[in-house]
Amino acid sequence: SQQGEEDPQALSIQEGENATMNCSYKTSINNLQWYRQNSGRGLVHLILIRSNEREKHSGRLRVTLDTSKKSSSLLITASRAADTASYFCATGQIQGAQKLVFGQGTRLTINP
Amino acid sequence: DGGITQSPKYLFRKEGQNVTLSCEQNLNHDAMYWYRQDPGQGLRLIYYSQIVNDFQKGDIAEGYSVSREKKESFPLTVTSAQKNPTAFYLCASSIDRYSGTDEKLFFGSGTQLSVL
Repeated sequence: SQQGEEDPQALSIQEGENATMNCSYKTSINNLQWYRQNSGRGLVHLILIRSNEREKHSGRLRVTLDTSKKSSSLLITASRAADTASYFCATGQIQGAQKLVFGQGTRLTINP
Repeated sequence: DGGITQSPKYLFRKEGQNVTLSCEQNLNHDAMYWYRQDPGQGLRLIYYSQIVNDFQKGDIAEGYSVSREKKESFPLTVTSAQKNPTAFYLCASSIDRYSGTDEKLFFGSGTQLSVL
């Protein structure tokens, strides 16, 4: 079953602007991860935030996690055309088997 | 270069036919996974394996089978029982079977399976 719901489903911005994507989930989690997928390719891991963390940075990426609201956001600052891709959140479950549950993704387009 | 290799990149299946998708990794990872991705959708877990000679069903295992005879290899067979096999199939691996979901996944480039 898919737990993450991402918002928006699609986002189109101008190069240089910031892009924010959101992910909501339903059950308690160990961690939340963000992945990037270029069209027709595999996913690439971007960042992992644990349930006891509130914010994490990696280069131009900033991820926040609010466990009380069961939501996370991914901010990409100073966007570039090369950031055009789909972005997925994936939650690591406390209950059940050792596996990640992926959301449906946000398709990000950066216009030059 | 270390990584995960999936082959073929494109695969066509005739009705009633079984087809096998290859996944090989040279990362020395313990755990391997198969996901299915439909257009505009997220990933759904088909099967996963945390150790050689052992594997577990994921959320959508019906119509699929796997084997894990070697640490490096985790082939997926799409059987004729899978009535809607057209999708993008992704293989992934993670380092340590004891780390659970705190491990990040490394993905292959995927196989697009279509029905003739």
